[in-house]
Amino acid sequence: LAKTTQPISMDSYEGQEVNITCSHNNIATNDYITWYQQFPSQGPRFIIQGYKTKVTNEVASLFIPADRKSSTLSLPRVSLSDTAVYYCLVAPWGGSSASKIIFGSGTRLSIRP
Amino acid sequence: DSGVTQTPKHLITATGQRVTLRCSPRSGDLSVYWYQQSLDQGLQFLIQYYNGEERAKGNILERFSAQQFPDLHSELNLSSLELGDSALYFCASGSGVETQYFGPGTRLLVL
Repeated sequence: LAKTTQPISMDSYEGQEVNITCSHNNIATNDYITWYQQFPSQGPRFIIQGYKTKVTNEVASLFIPADRKSSTLSLPRVSLSDTAVYYCLVAPWGGSSASKIIFGSGTRLSIRP
Repeated sequence: DSGVTQTPKHLITATGQRVTLRCSPRSGDLSVYWYQQSLDQGLQFLIQYYNGEERAKGNILERFSAQQFPDLHSELNLSSLELGDSALYFCASGSGVETQYFGPGTRLLVL
């Protein structure tokens, strides 16, 4: 599975748009990109997933350039409750084998009033 | 609520002991994944079961084992416990690796 690299931490303020970028230089053709959010002492929660270009849901947007070597999670108008750790995960679609799942260290996002 | 349940929520035990963690996946999910999360090592994949069979192994110690039963619930057995085994243990289920639904976790404290 492709290894991912994310910033260790980011700070922002309420109402701002936050963009977190993940690098995955050796992403494979059949890999999808998935982002998870984790609050302290809770399990990670699925946020968004994509393969290429742009995906948007009620929570976030995911931008993936043509070469797919990186992806950017965009959180519009963040609030204090968006303070969490965000993980980028790259894995093949529909695979039933988890060979070596690597969540990485994630990005610790802190939102201030 | 992810639909994945884990019991117990908290577990305190002593070194050398053995414990069993239980997980019930979301209805319809055939895969169960186990993870360990400690302060210094982040989220580490341990093992995956798919429809009762072991499908993939990650960084799981030989002292740890797991199984998935015909009703698809899974148990993670941790034996000869050491202080360093203190961590949050998460179970996740899903239909594929790319999307997993995590349970609330079991916090294990080994004294």
